[in-house]
Amino acid sequence: DILMTQSPSSLSASVGDRVTITCRASQSIRKDLNWYQQKPGKAPKLLIYAASSLQSGVPSRFSGSGSGTDFTLTIRSLQPEDFATYYCQQSYSTPPVTFGGGTKVEIK
Amino acid sequence: QIQLVQSGTEVKRPGASVRVSCKASGYTFTTYGISWVRQAPGQGLEWMAWMSANNHNTNYAQNLQGRVTLTTDTSTSTAYLELRNLKSDDTAVYYCARDPSLVAPGNWFDPWGQGTLVTVSS
Repeated sequence: DILMTQSPSSLSASVGDRVTITCRASQSIRKDLNWYQQKPGKAPKLLIYAASSLQSGVPSRFSGSGSGTDFTLTIRSLQPEDFATYYCQQSYSTPPVTFGGGTKVEIK
Repeated sequence: QIQLVQSGTEVKRPGASVRVSCKASGYTFTTYGISWVRQAPGQGLEWMAWMSANNHNTNYAQNLQGRVTLTTDTSTSTAYLELRNLKSDDTAVYYCARDPSLVAPGNWFDPWGQGTLVTVSS
């Protein structure tokens, strides 16, 4: 199984900050990496697919990059509605589909 | 709009079974797969299983093999998850999600159902 490791597990940031979340795969997954946002009590929402493609309707302040084993989700200017938990997910070698452990973005 | 609507909260005893439904609308059901993902309280996301709504092929997570079964009713565009021999650590919110792949689980999941809380307690 491919292990996905996210860092940090949590971070504190202010509105307007640039935020970067990292996801590392235990082996190369090409660009088969997706990012989700989850708010408390809600289902996850797809933000980025195939490492860098922005899902329709997602604000352009979100971006993804990377390939192979190292990936990044960047929020260019953090907004109040962006405080949430973010998960990466690999789709290169399935089953099983595997997720990172999550990164909680909190208000500083 | 594309939507997945799940059945309501369940409370079960250890050893019982639960069936969760996921009704799709807004797209052609048989042109996508459905994956199921669960989330224990305060924990991350765990992929459980996938089914092609086209040919009914399935894949299950190894740790759930033998306890989980996926089915679909294409006449009502509804997918079902059955989990048997429930244990306390099966307590979680269970999500269905549309999966673009008809061949194997994965790609990306969009959209997700609203989630179904299953509580297993004696």
